[in-house]
Amino acid sequence: GENVEQHPSTLSVQEGDSAVIKCTYSDSASNYFPWYKQELGKGPQLIIDIRSNVGEKKDQRIAVTLNKTAKHFSLHITETQPEDSAVYFCAAETSGTYKYIFGTGTRLKVLA
Amino acid sequence: DAGVTQSPTHLIKTRGQQVTLRCSPKSGHDTVSWYQQALGQGPQFIFQYYEEEERQRGNFPDRFSGHQFPNYSSELNVNALLLGDSALYLCASSYSGAADIQYFGAGTRLSVL
Repeated sequence: GENVEQHPSTLSVQEGDSAVIKCTYSDSASNYFPWYKQELGKGPQLIIDIRSNVGEKKDQRIAVTLNKTAKHFSLHITETQPEDSAVYFCAAETSGTYKYIFGTGTRLKVLA
Repeated sequence: DAGVTQSPTHLIKTRGQQVTLRCSPKSGHDTVSWYQQALGQGPQFIFQYYEEEERQRGNFPDRFSGHQFPNYSSELNVNALLLGDSALYLCASSYSGAADIQYFGAGTRLSVL
């Protein structure tokens, strides 16, 4: 069945360093890939997304890259700040299925 | 502009009981999806409602049912609660014209004792 694998499960970085989270999806028909940030006690917040017709997208300190051939996509956070500490989830959606398949999450800790 | 709102925020039930969770979508949105998030896991898709009909369903038993009202708000009902139903239940809304992009509420934390 459809599956999204996410690595690493935990990630600690020093403030100012970069963080990279990687996801691999199984359904080659997937065409939309959002990333969510979830803070304690809150719902997931959309931080960036990418569609299958684009290889890279950037929004200030956050970027996402997509490799359709390898079926993987990555989240890049540069110049990390303590407020970036949270759980990050990747997801994949196939057009017409109306559902996201989520990864298992990455707990990011930014050390001051 | 209010985002996705869910009620209640927390709920405690015992095994065998029934529960109803509520969701109001973001203004301008007409589609509601429900997800179950177990502790330490990613959200799992339960179902999606559009035009007051269940449009898609995930791998959840019939004990999980839902409804969408004419004002686009939605309810999730779970019957015959099991201990394993304890989780954070998330509602996400989207606009059918941009159906891919889903915005989540803060969730309802359900504990089954």
